[in-house]
Amino acid sequence: SSELTQDPAVSVALGQTVRITCQGDSLRNYYASWYQQKPGQAPVLVIYGKNNRPSGIPDRFSGSSSGNTASLTINGAQAEDEADYYCNSRDSSGNHYVFGTGTKVTVL
Amino acid sequence: QVQMVESGGGVVQPGRSLRLSCAASGFTFSNYGMHWVRQAPGKGLEWVAVIWYDGINKFYADSLKGRFTISRDNSKNTLYLQMNSLRAEDTAVYYCARKNGDSAGLDWFDPWGQGTLVTVSS
Repeated sequence: SSELTQDPAVSVALGQTVRITCQGDSLRNYYASWYQQKPGQAPVLVIYGKNNRPSGIPDRFSGSSSGNTASLTINGAQAEDEADYYCNSRDSSGNHYVFGTGTKVTVL
Repeated sequence: QVQMVESGGGVVQPGRSLRLSCAASGFTFSNYGMHWVRQAPGKGLEWVAVIWYDGINKFYADSLKGRFTISRDNSKNTLYLQMNSLRAEDTAVYYCARKNGDSAGLDWFDPWGQGTLVTVSS
């Protein structure tokens, strides 16, 4: 099976930009999707595919990918963006899925 | 609106079984694959299983070692997870999520249910 590795925690000043990365071999073949999870709540999709945002997700969220690394960028982070963020993709078999280890984003 | 509601969680003794349900509404259930995802207390998300729209193809996380079975009843718009030989490490919130995307590697989980807590303890 494959693994997706994320930095455990990052912090960002209010209004500044933060990038969260997700590394794994399967990302060379499959797109990543990104999920935001606030305490006590279910995850919410924020980015999928090359750089697609579901309805209702602010345009300060964007995604990108290069080689074995996918990235989620928050431009102009807001207090409400403080949350855990997880990436996901298929694993190398193509039939299973794997979540990243998660990144806790703190907005200072 | 599109919605999924999980049920069936609770406290169960080690070695026993439990069946979770996920009732879907607001979309054509039989057109979509469905996932189960779990989250142990204070831990990250763990993918559990997926079932395709027609119930024929099913795939499971290797860590489950054949103890869990995913199924669906498209006539009832309901997804199930049968969990056998439960262990303390299966304690988690279990979420169902709709599978979106295509067969070319573009996938995403949306929306998610609110989750149901399973506690395995004697």
